[in-house]
Amino acid sequence: GDSVTQMEGPVTLSEEACLTINCTYTATGYPSLFWYVQYPGEGLQLLLKATKADDKGSNKGFEATYRKETTSFHLEKGSVQVSDSAVYFCALIQVGGTASKLTFGTGTRLQVTL
Amino acid sequence: DGGITQSPKYLFRKEGQNVTLSCEQNLNHDAMYWYRQDPGQGLRLIYYSQIVNDFQKGDIAEGYSVSREKKESFPLTVTSAQKNPTAFYLCASSPLHRETQYFGPGTRLLVL
Repeated sequence: GDSVTQMEGPVTLSEEACLTINCTYTATGYPSLFWYVQYPGEGLQLLLKATKADDKGSNKGFEATYRKETTSFHLEKGSVQVSDSAVYFCALIQVGGTASKLTFGTGTRLQVTL
Repeated sequence: DGGITQSPKYLFRKEGQNVTLSCEQNLNHDAMYWYRQDPGQGLRLIYYSQIVNDFQKGDIAEGYSVSREKKESFPLTVTSAQKNPTAFYLCASSPLHRETQYFGPGTRLLVL
């Protein structure tokens, strides 16, 4: 079946440091890929997505590029802020069908300090 | 404002008791979902529904039940058969034929 693997956390960075959170996937066909963010005590919010190979999703300074050849969708940010502290989930969905069933990674906690 | 509401924020269950978690959306979405989140794990799908009066089991449906009598509402019942119910429960919705799901704020269920 489909699966998503994320780097284990927590990731601890100083403010203004560069961020990379690795995500790789296993899936048949051509899934769409997502990054969701979860702030403490809250639900998930969509951060960015990419629907086909070589697409780059971006939002709030975060970027991720859909790399089919390496089955990866790594999340990057050039300069993190304390407010970016959260848990980040990589997820995929198979294109087609009516109800969109997401497959999630285990999440990576990011802690940004002053 | 359109969105998804879940209540209560915290819920306590006694041994042998059924409890029901509420999920309401005013986004006019056809599809709704229930996920369970455990510490250090990703989200796992419990049930989903694509249309009123129809729903399907997800990956971990045992010990749970749902109903979909209205488009806006998708309540989840955690039955006494669920032996390890302590978790964070998230409801989501999406339009049909669309990939992006929108999540509610979640309900944390604790066992007394």
